[in-house]
Amino acid sequence: GAGVSQTPSNKVTEKGKYVELRCDPISGHTALYWYRQSLGQGPEFLIYFQGTGAADDSGLPNDRFFAVRPEGSVSTLKIQRTERGDSAVYLCASSPTVGRVRNEQFFGPGTRLTVL
Amino acid sequence: DQQVKQNSPSLSVQEGRISILNCDYTNSMFDYFLWYKKYPAEGPTFLISISSIKDKNEDGRFTVFLNKSAKHLSLHIVPSQPGDSAVYFCAASGMRGGSNYKLTFGKGTLLTVNP
Repeated sequence: GAGVSQTPSNKVTEKGKYVELRCDPISGHTALYWYRQSLGQGPEFLIYFQGTGAADDSGLPNDRFFAVRPEGSVSTLKIQRTERGDSAVYLCASSPTVGRVRNEQFFGPGTRLTVL
Repeated sequence: DQQVKQNSPSLSVQEGRISILNCDYTNSMFDYFLWYKKYPAEGPTFLISISSIKDKNEDGRFTVFLNKSAKHLSLHIVPSQPGDSAVYFCAASGMRGGSNYKLTFGKGTLLTVNP
């Protein structure tokens, strides 16, 4: 079956521009996560959605970052006034649900964002 | 402050031998641990996990050991194959505090299995 897909695979932008990164989770997965992986680091948690609502956005670095999931499926991560320090691979993951039964998270291939 | 540490950036082993990847954690709230494998230009893929109520979990060639008192876990791959060459991430989450969804990752270890 289809896995998590992310578009675009690569995005190059100029400092100060606005970007949108899209994530299509595995069909039927209610939980969706965004992570950011900087060079030489492991993925770092940004935000978690359960259905349409952001249940935890504590990992978003500042108010330039925002994410939505209006219909409980596709999610968009939005970054305003991009800075060079935002350059990283942005990973999306999904899982069937979250609860007392642990579900591993299925990751997409990521979007490599480069801010010049 | 790194809560999950993988102190070896890289490891090289011969095909057929055992690969041992190590991971240490500092947060005592963590009670579930996972290993992910990542190939270049792909997302991490789940490999194996272990709950803190266990000290060992085995799946084919892969075994994860957990030493709670030492806050240490390790991944054993036996026998190692060239296709196992990838970056391996250790990750942890905590049920207590209601944040069982949030994975905290180490920096990863690049495993190279030589034919």
